[in-house]
Amino acid sequence: DGGITQSPKYLFRKEGQNVTLSCEQNLNHDAMYWYRQDPGQGLRLIYYSQIVNDFQKGDIAEGYSVSREKKESFPLTVTSAQKNPTAFYLCASSARGQFYEQYFGPGTRLTVT
Amino acid sequence: KNEVEQSPQNLTAQEGEFITINCSYSVGISALHWLQQHPGGGIVSLFMLSSGKKKHGRLIATINIQEKHSSLHITASHPRDSAVYICAVNQGAQKLVFGQGTRLTINP
Repeated sequence: DGGITQSPKYLFRKEGQNVTLSCEQNLNHDAMYWYRQDPGQGLRLIYYSQIVNDFQKGDIAEGYSVSREKKESFPLTVTSAQKNPTAFYLCASSARGQFYEQYFGPGTRLTVT
Repeated sequence: KNEVEQSPQNLTAQEGEFITINCSYSVGISALHWLQQHPGGGIVSLFMLSSGKKKHGRLIATINIQEKHSSLHITASHPRDSAVYICAVNQGAQKLVFGQGTRLTINP
């Protein structure tokens, strides 16, 4: 079955630690996206990548970093510079040029204490 | 003010009731999406609209481009419809702008 996987479902970290969230897709999609979801707010775009070895900042990139070394994978690192890292993180992918038809992963809930 | 506003933020109804969720936007768009987020967090796409009306099963979505407004209706609602419903709009290239979501609870 084609789809997007994110692991783990729940992640706990101590303040000051970097943490990397995994996102893998087997849909053969060129574009991948990371969103953050907070209670009472819409999804906000952190980073997106339209092709391997290329990525662009979204609306709230500060304190985050990404890499896109393989088409299937788009890991997100939440660094210690991110002031409020506790949130629900969603990864998505789409075919090239079809950003409007995004397929979402199940999400990772990150709690930093 | 958010570019995409949904109302109500929370909605509780009894099984069988007709449900309406509204979405208003303030930017020019090429298309509007309705998404459903399950309690576990996963999101699925329900509709993509650029004009008129679409129907899928008990779900109906309408859009009025002139009024910058869309509605999602659920007929004969069921407890399994309980979820967060999210409106999103295409704004320019490579960008979706999301509403804050409407949490729907259908009681048996």
